[in-house]
Amino acid sequence: SQQGEEDPQALSIQEGENATMNCSYKTSINNLQWYRQNSGRGLVHLILIRSNEREKHSGRLRVTLDTSKKSSSLLITASRAADTASYFCATDANAGKSTFGDGTTLTVKP
Amino acid sequence: DAGITQSPRHKVTETGTPVTLRCHQTENHRYMYWYRQDPGHGLRLIHYSYGVKDTDKGEVSDGYSVSRSKTEDFLLTLESATSSQTSVYFCAISGGDSHNYGYTFGSGTRLTVV
Repeated sequence: SQQGEEDPQALSIQEGENATMNCSYKTSINNLQWYRQNSGRGLVHLILIRSNEREKHSGRLRVTLDTSKKSSSLLITASRAADTASYFCATDANAGKSTFGDGTTLTVKP
Repeated sequence: DAGITQSPRHKVTETGTPVTLRCHQTENHRYMYWYRQDPGHGLRLIHYSYGVKDTDKGEVSDGYSVSRSKTEDFLLTLESATSSQTSVYFCAISGGDSHNYGYTFGSGTRLTVV
């Protein structure tokens, strides 16, 4: 069964706008990770947030984690056409075995 | 991707034949994983390894076996391929003992069972 579920399933925005994706999960976690996957490629790790952290930044990425609501969000600021990809959250609730959601497909229009 | 390679990249095989996919890493990481990805879905864990000769099942392990005789190699075998095993298979590695590291993924193996 899927632990993490992303919302929305698909998102289309104009270049320069911000993109926000959400991830909800069901059980307590050790950490939550976000990945990007370009079409036909492997997943690329973007950012990991531990269960005792509330917010992390990496460049144009901001991730928040609310363990009381069992949810996380990924914000991409000032989006670019190159950000077009699928984004997945993954939760580690069991000693390093991460469970992935079905992903959010982001399209950034030039 | 740097430090992790999968082979073959593409394979077409017939129903009922055994198939072995290889994952090779040069990072000396302890943890290795096999996931499958089906259209429109995320990744589902097949098997994982936490050291040489130490492996365990994931959520979709039926019909698959794995072996890890060396730190750098993690093999996934489909004992008797079925059409439902047509998928893209990804290997991943993770460093450290705290599990607070992200995964590095290979480029994937696209397997078609006809």
